[in-house]
Amino acid sequence: ETGVTQTPRHLVMGMTNKKSLKCEQHLGHNAMYWYKQSAKKPLELMFVYSLEERVENNSVPSRFSPECPNSSHLFLHLHTLQPEDSALYLCASSQGSGTGPPYEQYFGPGTRLTVT
Amino acid sequence: GQNIDQPTEMTATEGAIVQINCTYQTSGFNGLFWYQQHAGEAPTFLSYNVLDGLEEKGRFSSFLSRSKGYSYLLLKELQMKDSASYLCAQLSGSARQLTFGSGTQLTVLP
Repeated sequence: ETGVTQTPRHLVMGMTNKKSLKCEQHLGHNAMYWYKQSAKKPLELMFVYSLEERVENNSVPSRFSPECPNSSHLFLHLHTLQPEDSALYLCASSQGSGTGPPYEQYFGPGTRLTVT
Repeated sequence: GQNIDQPTEMTATEGAIVQINCTYQTSGFNGLFWYQQHAGEAPTFLSYNVLDGLEEKGRFSSFLSRSKGYSYLLLKELQMKDSASYLCAQLSGSARQLTFGSGTQLTVLP
């Protein structure tokens, strides 16, 4: 496996279900991100982890819960979602840390989530 | 938040040149990225500008004017495979914060 992988690629869940999205990066990066991409809207940054610590949470509802057990893996736990949460959820990673020079982010293929 | 403005759609002909513009708010500016996203695929990095001027990378070039809060992506010798959404993204605040525009859907016609 190379780059950034995400599973599952497609997920349909009811509003009462609990599911998790998984992201894995094979690039030796130490920062990872969750983004939400809805139709006709900009990519929205949800969470940032740097060196396995959450450094940003952009007012995301608590029904989304991230977990970063190590620098290569990132999860997004979902529970009691709403239909408006249906979107493409993208994971990304980048190298560097702290206030060093910014590096480009590498994106995974995304999970297409549909909440019924 | 940061407002990133770019046209929603553009159409151009194979072999032509197209310029996609992007404007952003200058406060807290730390750099400007361009990404390409084909339908159903992940965004892929195209270019990064932090200083004024033109950065050239093969058929693609990106320009930045920090005083004007303006950037453009220039695509030369267009090919059909260049049909995609082009995302302008501003880096601001901490080194990790990228704010994206809504993307410009480019259609290349034969």
